[in-house]
Amino acid sequence: GQQLNQSPQSMFIQEGEDVSMNCTSSSIFNTWLWYKQDPGEGPVLLIALYKAGELTSNGRLTAQFGITRKDSFLNISASIPSDVGIYFCAGQINTGNQFYFGTGTSLTVIP
Amino acid sequence: SQTIHQWPATLVQPVGSPLSLECTVEGTSNPNLYWYRQAAGRGLQLLFYSVGIGQISSEVPQNLSASRPQDRQFILSSKKLLLSDSGFYLCAWSPPRNTEAFFGQGTRLTVV
Repeated sequence: GQQLNQSPQSMFIQEGEDVSMNCTSSSIFNTWLWYKQDPGEGPVLLIALYKAGELTSNGRLTAQFGITRKDSFLNISASIPSDVGIYFCAGQINTGNQFYFGTGTSLTVIP
Repeated sequence: SQTIHQWPATLVQPVGSPLSLECTVEGTSNPNLYWYRQAAGRGLQLLFYSVGIGQISSEVPQNLSASRPQDRQFILSSKKLLLSDSGFYLCAWSPPRNTEAFFGQGTRLTVV
């Protein structure tokens, strides 16, 4: 299957700091998705991106679909303790195909 | 609105015993359905996906099987569990246009 490389693997930040994480692929994707997973729960969809160059915000979260269609990033501004969790990127090569997931970025916010 | 139900939430099973995990979706028709496994809290591995009743695609050879007896029901099974089958199993669905996937709450399976 396709491999999505997500970085960093883990982050430890102070409350109030901004966070940036990214996801890259060797293949071109038509869709990029970003999820957050709390311990013991299923991932929850945060942002969906459908066009190259697209920049989308959801509250303090901003994500962009890379121009090359092989990467995406997620930014979190002014982090708060409830941002703690694992963030996953996911991509879809063609509509109707399965979703491939990155290995996740574990975020810890220190109050 | 659409909802996805997955059960049980946790399961402890002995090696060699059978397995049946069930997932149902409400509020939509003809969804695409997926089973993922997550080991050690990281990395979602796609196990099976289905685009319709009786249509199952397997991503990796394993000790598990999947079935879709009804449009909005997806079942993950095993005849004999192995220790390596332990993990967090997630069911997901996507609309027929298949541009976003939504997950259930997951089942924590421990094989002892």
